[in-house]
Amino acid sequence: DGGITQSPKYLFRKEGQNVTLSCEQNLNHDAMYWYRQDPGQGLRLIYYSQIVNDFQKGDIAEGYSVSREKKESFPLTVTSAQKNPTAFYLCASSNPDSYEQYFGPGTRLTVT
Amino acid sequence: GENVEQHPSTLSVQEGDSAVIKCTYSDSASNYFPWYKQELGKGPQLIIDIRSNVGEKKDQRIAVTLNKTAKHFSLHITETQPEDSAVYFCAATLHGDDKIIFGKGTRLHILP
Repeated sequence: DGGITQSPKYLFRKEGQNVTLSCEQNLNHDAMYWYRQDPGQGLRLIYYSQIVNDFQKGDIAEGYSVSREKKESFPLTVTSAQKNPTAFYLCASSNPDSYEQYFGPGTRLTVT
Repeated sequence: GENVEQHPSTLSVQEGDSAVIKCTYSDSASNYFPWYKQELGKGPQLIIDIRSNVGEKKDQRIAVTLNKTAKHFSLHITETQPEDSAVYFCAATLHGDDKIIFGKGTRLHILP
Protein backbone atom coordinates (compact mmCIF):
# COMPACT_ATOMS: atom_id res chain seq x y z
CA ASP A 1 0.00 0.00 0.00
CA GLY A 2 1.21 3.49 -0.81
CA GLY A 3 0.81 6.15 1.81
CA ILE A 4 2.11 7.91 4.88
CA THR A 5 2.69 6.17 8.17
CA GLN A 6 3.09 7.77 11.55
CA SER A 7 4.09 5.92 14.64
CA PRO A 8 3.13 5.45 17.32
CA LYS A 9 -0.56 6.39 17.31
CA TYR A 10 -0.43 7.34 21.00
CA LEU A 11 2.65 8.56 22.87
CA PHE A 12 3.05 9.48 26.51
CA ARG A 13 6.00 11.34 27.98
CA LYS A 14 7.00 13.05 31.16
CA GLU A 15 7.56 16.78 31.15
CA GLY A 16 11.18 17.71 30.44
CA GLN A 17 11.83 14.80 28.07
CA ASN A 18 12.46 15.14 24.36
CA VAL A 19 10.37 12.87 22.16
CA THR A 20 10.66 12.04 18.45
CA LEU A 21 7.62 11.36 16.25
CA SER A 22 8.11 9.23 13.17
CA CYS A 23 6.79 9.99 9.67
CA GLU A 24 7.50 7.78 6.64
CA GLN A 25 6.08 7.98 3.11
CA ASN A 26 6.42 5.67 0.12
CA LEU A 27 4.67 8.00 -2.33
CA ASN A 28 7.99 9.33 -3.67
CA HIS A 29 6.88 12.84 -2.75
CA ASP A 30 9.46 15.60 -2.53
CA ALA A 31 7.75 17.80 0.07
CA MET A 32 6.84 16.82 3.61
CA TYR A 33 5.10 18.76 6.37
CA TRP A 34 4.40 18.64 10.08
CA TYR A 35 1.24 20.15 11.55
CA ARG A 36 -0.03 20.49 15.04
CA GLN A 37 -3.77 20.22 15.69
CA ASP A 38 -5.45 21.53 18.84
CA PRO A 39 -9.21 21.66 19.46
CA GLY A 40 -10.71 24.68 17.70
CA GLN A 41 -7.35 25.73 16.24
CA GLY A 42 -7.31 23.93 12.93
CA LEU A 43 -3.98 22.83 11.49
CA ARG A 44 -0.90 24.90 12.27
CA LEU A 45 2.32 24.36 10.34
CA ILE A 46 5.39 23.49 12.41
CA TYR A 47 8.08 22.68 9.80
CA TYR A 48 8.19 21.71 6.16
CA SER A 49 10.77 20.32 3.79
CA GLN A 50 10.79 20.60 0.00
CA ILE A 51 13.86 18.46 -0.57
CA VAL A 52 16.29 16.19 1.24
CA ASN A 53 18.66 17.96 3.64
CA ASP A 54 16.61 21.15 3.57
CA PHE A 55 13.70 22.36 5.70
CA GLN A 56 11.97 25.60 6.70
CA LYS A 57 10.20 26.81 9.80
CA GLY A 58 6.46 27.08 9.75
CA ASP A 59 4.27 29.28 11.91
CA ILE A 60 4.93 27.56 15.26
CA ALA A 61 8.46 26.09 15.04
CA GLU A 62 9.63 27.11 18.51
CA GLY A 63 10.36 24.08 20.69
CA TYR A 64 10.47 21.68 17.74
CA SER A 65 13.23 20.33 15.49
CA VAL A 66 13.26 18.19 12.34
CA SER A 67 15.65 16.43 10.00
CA ARG A 68 15.33 15.28 6.39
CA GLU A 69 18.19 12.88 5.73
CA LYS A 70 16.10 10.65 3.45
CA LYS A 71 13.35 11.49 0.98
CA GLU A 72 10.89 9.12 2.61
CA SER A 73 11.45 10.15 6.23
CA PHE A 74 10.78 13.39 8.12
CA PRO A 75 10.97 12.87 11.91
CA LEU A 76 9.83 15.57 14.32
CA THR A 77 11.42 16.06 17.74
CA VAL A 78 9.35 17.78 20.41
CA THR A 79 11.88 19.25 22.78
CA SER A 80 11.54 20.16 26.44
CA ALA A 81 11.48 23.80 25.32
CA GLN A 82 8.00 23.37 23.85
CA LYS A 83 5.73 24.80 26.52
CA ASN A 84 2.50 23.04 25.58
CA PRO A 85 3.47 19.85 23.74
CA THR A 86 0.27 17.89 24.34
CA ALA A 87 -1.51 17.82 20.96
CA PHE A 88 -2.37 15.78 17.88
CA TYR A 89 0.49 15.83 15.36
CA LEU A 90 -0.07 15.28 11.65
CA CYS A 91 2.48 14.62 8.95
CA ALA A 92 1.75 15.22 5.26
CA SER A 93 3.50 15.01 1.91
CA SER A 94 2.99 16.39 -1.57
CA ASN A 95 4.58 16.72 -5.00
CA PRO A 96 5.57 20.08 -6.52
CA ASP A 97 3.22 19.63 -9.47
CA SER A 98 0.22 18.98 -7.25
CA TYR A 99 -1.13 21.08 -4.43
CA GLU A 100 -2.80 18.10 -2.78
CA GLN A 101 -1.35 17.11 0.55
CA TYR A 102 -1.65 13.52 1.72
CA PHE A 103 -1.90 13.15 5.48
CA GLY A 104 -0.82 10.39 7.80
CA PRO A 105 -3.11 9.04 10.56
CA GLY A 106 -1.51 11.26 13.20
CA THR A 107 0.18 10.79 16.58
CA ARG A 108 -1.51 11.92 19.77
CA LEU A 109 1.17 13.09 22.19
CA THR A 110 0.38 13.51 25.87
CA VAL A 111 2.96 15.09 28.16
CA THR A 112 2.37 15.07 31.91
CA GLY B 1 0.32 36.55 4.45
CA GLU B 2 -2.79 34.57 3.70
CA ASN B 3 -5.51 34.25 6.33
CA VAL B 4 -8.49 31.90 6.03
CA GLU B 5 -11.66 32.31 8.08
CA GLN B 6 -14.18 29.47 8.27
CA HIS B 7 -17.80 29.46 9.49
CA PRO B 8 -19.62 28.00 11.27
CA SER B 9 -17.41 26.15 13.75
CA THR B 10 -20.21 23.64 14.39
CA LEU B 11 -23.13 22.68 12.17
CA SER B 12 -25.97 20.25 12.85
CA VAL B 13 -28.10 19.13 9.91
CA GLN B 14 -30.99 16.69 9.64
CA GLU B 15 -30.13 13.63 7.58
CA GLY B 16 -31.18 14.23 3.99
CA ASP B 17 -30.91 18.01 4.23
CA SER B 18 -28.12 20.14 2.78
CA ALA B 19 -25.10 21.54 4.60
CA VAL B 20 -23.14 24.65 3.66
CA ILE B 21 -19.77 25.69 5.06
CA LYS B 22 -18.28 29.07 4.16
CA CYS B 23 -14.73 30.39 4.04
CA THR B 24 -13.13 33.72 3.26
CA TYR B 25 -9.52 34.41 2.36
CA SER B 26 -7.43 37.54 2.49
CA ASP B 27 -4.84 37.27 -0.29
CA SER B 28 -6.36 37.97 -3.70
CA ALA B 29 -3.40 36.15 -5.31
CA SER B 30 -4.49 32.80 -3.84
CA ASN B 31 -5.51 30.49 -6.63
CA TYR B 32 -6.13 27.03 -5.21
CA PHE B 33 -8.80 26.15 -2.65
CA PRO B 34 -9.03 22.59 -1.32
CA TRP B 35 -11.48 21.09 1.15
CA TYR B 36 -10.45 18.33 3.52
CA LYS B 37 -12.57 15.95 5.59
CA GLN B 38 -11.25 14.59 8.85
CA GLU B 39 -12.91 11.68 10.59
CA LEU B 40 -12.36 11.04 14.26
CA GLY B 41 -8.82 9.91 15.06
CA LYS B 42 -7.66 10.10 11.44
CA GLY B 43 -5.74 12.48 9.22
CA PRO B 44 -7.58 14.85 6.86
CA GLN B 45 -8.39 13.67 3.34
CA LEU B 46 -8.95 15.83 0.28
CA ILE B 47 -12.59 15.64 -0.86
CA ILE B 48 -12.76 18.37 -3.49
CA ASP B 49 -10.77 21.35 -4.68
CA ILE B 50 -11.22 24.32 -6.98
CA ARG B 51 -8.85 26.60 -8.83
CA SER B 52 -9.32 30.30 -9.32
CA ASN B 53 -10.16 30.02 -12.99
CA VAL B 54 -13.34 28.09 -12.16
CA GLY B 55 -16.48 29.32 -10.38
CA GLU B 56 -18.02 26.00 -9.39
CA LYS B 57 -17.12 22.34 -9.25
CA LYS B 58 -19.28 19.31 -8.44
CA ASP B 59 -18.56 15.74 -7.47
CA GLN B 60 -21.71 13.74 -6.81
CA ARG B 61 -23.26 15.17 -3.61
CA ILE B 62 -20.43 17.63 -3.00
CA ALA B 63 -19.94 20.99 -4.68
CA VAL B 64 -17.67 23.95 -4.13
CA THR B 65 -18.27 27.52 -5.29
CA LEU B 66 -15.74 30.33 -5.54
CA ASN B 67 -16.35 34.06 -5.66
CA LYS B 68 -12.99 35.70 -6.41
CA THR B 69 -14.34 39.22 -6.20
CA ALA B 70 -15.65 38.71 -2.69
CA LYS B 71 -12.78 36.34 -1.81
CA HIS B 72 -14.99 33.65 -0.44
CA PHE B 73 -15.66 30.01 -1.25
CA SER B 74 -18.18 27.50 0.04
CA LEU B 75 -18.68 23.77 0.39
CA HIS B 76 -22.14 22.39 -0.31
CA ILE B 77 -23.15 18.86 0.68
CA THR B 78 -26.58 17.72 -0.52
CA GLU B 79 -28.68 14.77 0.69
CA THR B 80 -26.51 14.43 3.78
CA GLN B 81 -25.86 10.99 5.20
CA PRO B 82 -24.57 9.79 8.59
CA GLU B 83 -21.12 9.14 7.13
CA ASP B 84 -20.85 12.84 6.31
CA SER B 85 -20.39 13.54 10.04
CA ALA B 86 -16.81 14.76 10.40
CA VAL B 87 -14.68 17.89 10.68
CA TYR B 88 -14.26 19.80 7.42
CA PHE B 89 -11.37 22.17 6.69
CA CYS B 90 -11.14 24.73 3.93
CA ALA B 91 -7.74 25.97 2.79
CA ALA B 92 -6.08 28.34 0.37
CA THR B 93 -2.70 28.54 -1.29
CA LEU B 94 -0.80 30.64 -3.79
CA HIS B 95 0.57 29.16 -6.99
CA GLY B 96 4.19 28.30 -6.36
CA ASP B 97 3.89 28.63 -2.60
CA ASP B 98 4.89 25.67 -0.49
CA LYS B 99 2.33 26.19 2.19
CA ILE B 100 -1.41 25.67 2.47
CA ILE B 101 -3.26 27.89 4.94
CA PHE B 102 -6.12 26.08 6.66
CA GLY B 103 -9.30 27.38 8.24
CA LYS B 104 -10.06 26.34 11.80
CA GLY B 105 -12.54 23.67 10.79
CA THR B 106 -16.27 22.97 10.96
CA ARG B 107 -17.63 20.05 12.93
CA LEU B 108 -20.60 18.70 10.98
CA HIS B 109 -23.17 16.56 12.81
CA ILE B 110 -25.77 14.69 10.75
CA LEU B 111 -28.84 14.13 12.91
CA PRO B 112 -30.96 10.98 12.44
